[in-house]
Amino acid sequence: NAGVTQTPKFRILKIGQSMTLQCTQDMNHNYMYWYRQDPGMGLKLIYYSVGAGITDKGEVPNGYNVSRSTTEDFPLRLELAAPSQTSVYFCASRPDSRYGYTFGSGTRLTVV
Amino acid sequence: KQEVTQIPAALSVPEGENLVLNCSFTDSAIYNLQWFRQDPGKGLTSLLLIQSSQREQTSGRLNASLDKSSGRSTLYIAASQPGDSATYLCAVSRGDSNYQLIWGAGTKLIIKP
Repeated sequence: NAGVTQTPKFRILKIGQSMTLQCTQDMNHNYMYWYRQDPGMGLKLIYYSVGAGITDKGEVPNGYNVSRSTTEDFPLRLELAAPSQTSVYFCASRPDSRYGYTFGSGTRLTVV
Repeated sequence: KQEVTQIPAALSVPEGENLVLNCSFTDSAIYNLQWFRQDPGKGLTSLLLIQSSQREQTSGRLNASLDKSSGRSTLYIAASQPGDSATYLCAVSRGDSNYQLIWGAGTKLIIKP
């Protein structure tokens, strides 16, 4: 049981480049989330999904896009990377709102 | 607007001490509150989840309490060990939307051997 798997663990992007952060969970969880964590700050929600085919914006969605074509996968797309997107990105999942979250180990992204 | 505050930002105590971490929130209309642990370079581990109707939850040496009326939660760690060293984060689910967590910035805990 792998839990929530995020790839890559580290990435350096140049300004204007694009990339996809991958997130996969094998627990058949309906709810999935993308957060970013800036140094010394709490996590901020980028996007979330309550099931396959359903996504919605969180607090800080600008510059990002997501899709949820399957229960297992919830990729986060960065278009036209900017230095302000330098952060650690966490994917999380849970069965439904009654339960706690399972987090991936994070992706550390630097935009230069 | 819900705001979550954790004080202190950092705490260093000798091994074996009992300690309390604090979390306060401004809007009592919460769905639940969770405590997480974050180790450097790693993801977050869920420690305890307290529903809004509950007063406390316990797991091993950890006990979390919730007082909605005062907007406070505490995480009590008994008989602290060096392995407890980590950053502890609390987060609340908004009452009007159980999808979104509002996070505190965390308390960095160092347990000295």
